[in-house]
Amino acid sequence: NAGVMQNPRHLVRRRGQEARLRCSPMKGHSHVYWYRQLPEEGLKFMVYLQKENIIDESGMPKERFSAEFPKEGPSILRIQQVVRGDSAAYFCASSPSESSYNSPLHFGNGTRLTVT
Amino acid sequence: GDSVTQMEGPVTLSEEAFLTINCTYTATGYPSLFWYVQYPGEGLQLLLKATKADDKGSNKGFEATYRKETTSFHLEKGSVQVSDSAVYFCALSDPQSSGGAQKLVFGQGTRLTINP
Repeated sequence: NAGVMQNPRHLVRRRGQEARLRCSPMKGHSHVYWYRQLPEEGLKFMVYLQKENIIDESGMPKERFSAEFPKEGPSILRIQQVVRGDSAAYFCASSPSESSYNSPLHFGNGTRLTVT
Repeated sequence: GDSVTQMEGPVTLSEEAFLTINCTYTATGYPSLFWYVQYPGEGLQLLLKATKADDKGSNKGFEATYRKETTSFHLEKGSVQVSDSAVYFCALSDPQSSGGAQKLVFGQGTRLTINP
């Protein structure tokens, strides 16, 4: 499968635990975006990364959330000390390096985080 | 800031009915416009796009025309099928506010159910 791969599909965490969400972009893609979808809402941009660089994190909450995209391996979205309000679907999308603002993004199937 | 407003759902139609889902936008610059579709339990897939005024995007019988004068990008299909049941998202990417990145701004989504 050459699509965007996210895992796990479903993640349950108790309040105060850490959540780690993984995303492997499509083959040949070097740009990764993370979006969050709250129940019954549209997706909201969180962060844009290229290999080893955070390009734009204007949509990330100031505390507890971090993202990385190392030279080797998947992109990771990390949420520390989760709270119930973090329950949402988290989608990763990727694009090739030569894309521009009007190129479509390729989305993964998402990770559905539930905080109990 | 940029925003997208979609017709409120849910929308329920019978098979072979005509479909319109309204979408209007506000943007700082000259955006590209997209419709994405989300089938149950899956990520978003690009349905169609338009990058300049009067462009018509089309795919799988769906169409939408970029209307700059009314800042709209309404989605239409002449004869819907049960398999079209999904959530539809209108989105924009604004070069003026995205800095060249593909930071999509999404509407809240419209849930469509087609009954046989």
